[in-house]
Amino acid sequence: DGGITQSPKYLFRKEGQNVTLSCEQNLNHDAMYWYRQDPGQGLRLIYYSQIVNDFQKGDIAEGYSVSREKKESFPLTVTSAQKNPTAFYLCASRDRGPNQPQHFGDGTRLSIL
Amino acid sequence: KQEVTQIPAALSVPEGENLVLNCSFTDSAIYNLQWFRQDPGKGLTSLLLIQSSQREQTSGRLNASLDKSSGRSTLYIAASQPGDSATYLCAVRFHRDDKIIFGKGTRLHILP
Repeated sequence: DGGITQSPKYLFRKEGQNVTLSCEQNLNHDAMYWYRQDPGQGLRLIYYSQIVNDFQKGDIAEGYSVSREKKESFPLTVTSAQKNPTAFYLCASRDRGPNQPQHFGDGTRLSIL
Repeated sequence: KQEVTQIPAALSVPEGENLVLNCSFTDSAIYNLQWFRQDPGKGLTSLLLIQSSQREQTSGRLNASLDKSSGRSTLYIAASQPGDSATYLCAVRFHRDDKIIFGKGTRLHILP
């Protein structure tokens, strides 16, 4: 089945530690996105990538980094510079074209130890 | 500033009722509007996407309408069921900066 796989489902971070969230898609989509969701808030865009080897900052990129070395993979690293990382992280992808829908993975919940 | 607003934030209705969820947005220059469903602790499931040139889209018991000039969309759910209980989000893709902006969602509870 085609879809987006996020792993792990739950992740715990110690103080001063970097952690990496995985996002893999087999939909052959060009664009990929990372969002953060906090209780009572809408989704906020962290980073997005329209094509391999290119990515752009979203609204809340500080403390995060990404790479896009392969079309199917868009990992997100939460660095120690992100002081409030506890949140639900969602990865999405979209095919080329102005009216293609976004598809989402099942999310990763990150907590601080 | 481009904004997407969903009112109410929460809604409880008895099973079997028809209901309407609202989404409003500033700036009528949009590519499309997409409705999603989110179950607790899960990702978003796409329900319907309406292009800016369309007035409505239907899928089963769901009907989404779009009035671009007034900046509004509604999601109509017919004959509601307990399994419809979830949070419903709308997302608008604006022309300017090609941004997709999400509303905060409406948490729907269908009472058995």
